[in-house]
Amino acid sequence: DGGITQSPKYLFRKEGQNVTLSCEQNLNHDAMYWYRQDPGQGLRLIYYSQIVNDFQKGDIAEGYSVSREKKESFPLTVTSAQKNPTAFYLCASSIDTSGGYETQYFGPGTRLLVL
Amino acid sequence: GQNIDQPTEMTATEGAIVQINCTYQTSGFNGLFWYQQHAGEAPTFLSYNVLDGLEEKGRFSSFLSRSKGYSYLLLKELQMKDSASYLCAVSQRGNTDKLIFGTGTRLQVFP
Repeated sequence: DGGITQSPKYLFRKEGQNVTLSCEQNLNHDAMYWYRQDPGQGLRLIYYSQIVNDFQKGDIAEGYSVSREKKESFPLTVTSAQKNPTAFYLCASSIDTSGGYETQYFGPGTRLLVL
Repeated sequence: GQNIDQPTEMTATEGAIVQINCTYQTSGFNGLFWYQQHAGEAPTFLSYNVLDGLEEKGRFSSFLSRSKGYSYLLLKELQMKDSASYLCAVSQRGNTDKLIFGTGTRLQVFP
């Protein structure tokens, strides 16, 4: 079955610790995205990547880092510099971003909690 | 800048019709998406409008007026499983088609 997978479903972070959230897709999509969702707020874009080995900052990139070494994978690292990391993190992908209509499809999400 | 407004919460009765409105202000408009999101789950795609008018898809329809910066999602014959948040998102034309999301409308369907 084609789709987007995220792991783990729940993740606990201690103070000062870096944690990495996994996102994998087998849809052969070029573009991948990371969003953060907080209660009462819309999804906010953290980072996105249109092609392997290239990625761009979104609206709230501070305290986060990403890599795109393979087309299928776009892991997100929440660093200790992110002071308020508790949120629901959603990964998405789309076919490409050449300027046309490209629906984004979402993974099941990872809920990150700070201990 | 960009701004998307939609009501925070709505309630409706099973079998009824409900209309969820979304107004937006954005440059380089490249279409409007509606997603459904059940609590704790991923958003799922419902509809896309880029031209003015109504798009019907089963019990769900979506309308767009570009001149008014206005869209609505119409849900007919409501079922309990329609209780969810409905996210309005606007696509901006540019180097990449970024989606700007509204805060979502939480719909509660009662028997």
